[in-house]
Amino acid sequence: QSALTQPPSASGSPGQSVTISCTGTGSDVGAYDFVSWYQGNPGKAPRLMIYEVNKRPSGVPDRFSGSKSGNTASLIVSGLQAEDEAYYYCSSYAGTNNLVFGGGTKLTVL
Amino acid sequence: DVQLVESGGGLVQPGGSLRLSCAASGFTFSNFWMNWVRQAPGKGLEWVANIKQDGSQKYYGDSVKGRFTISRDNAKNALYLQMDRLTVEDTAVYYCARRDCSNTSCHQFGYWGQGTLVAVSS
Repeated sequence: QSALTQPPSASGSPGQSVTISCTGTGSDVGAYDFVSWYQGNPGKAPRLMIYEVNKRPSGVPDRFSGSKSGNTASLIVSGLQAEDEAYYYCSSYAGTNNLVFGGGTKLTVL
Repeated sequence: DVQLVESGGGLVQPGGSLRLSCAASGFTFSNFWMNWVRQAPGKGLEWVANIKQDGSQKYYGDSVKGRFTISRDNAKNALYLQMDRLTVEDTAVYYCARRDCSNTSCHQFGYWGQGTLVAVSS
């Protein structure tokens, strides 16, 4: 059981928008604006997509955005493209040098 | 380019030991906190351990505390994870990851390796 709860799957057609949720508690997601999102695929190195809830590292398309409300953070992928098909994992700082992750969401582009 | 390459994974019996390595290149290794993160089959990511730039501070996740030891050799640009008293629950792909800082926080992993598989089975 992962510390943060994500839906196991999400899907959308090319050009559509998809939102992936990440639910924690008042001790992690709700307590800090230190939520990150990672894109991963089997056999490949995970890639940082969003940090501090809604900031994008250089090189990440602006189709990717993040938000947070209470104990739930969200990753929004707008204008879906085939290359966006991947697993997405959220993480949150949980205090005292502790970082927690979600179980991952498989995003399928239909 | 930043590169992190893990090695040392394999099949080990319960109760056994294994030492993972991570070779870093393309950046000044001694300037960064480094981490180990793992992913069990069909599961999410789990933070395992991290170590300060000079090795003076080390932290561990509850599931590995007392059994795993993280270390580094800045002269060799290498990160290590000594895993002892392994159990089947330690079966996972193990990633090394560099902790990056923004102006306001240091809670994100900007670069990851491709991982090395550790399988614990009799």
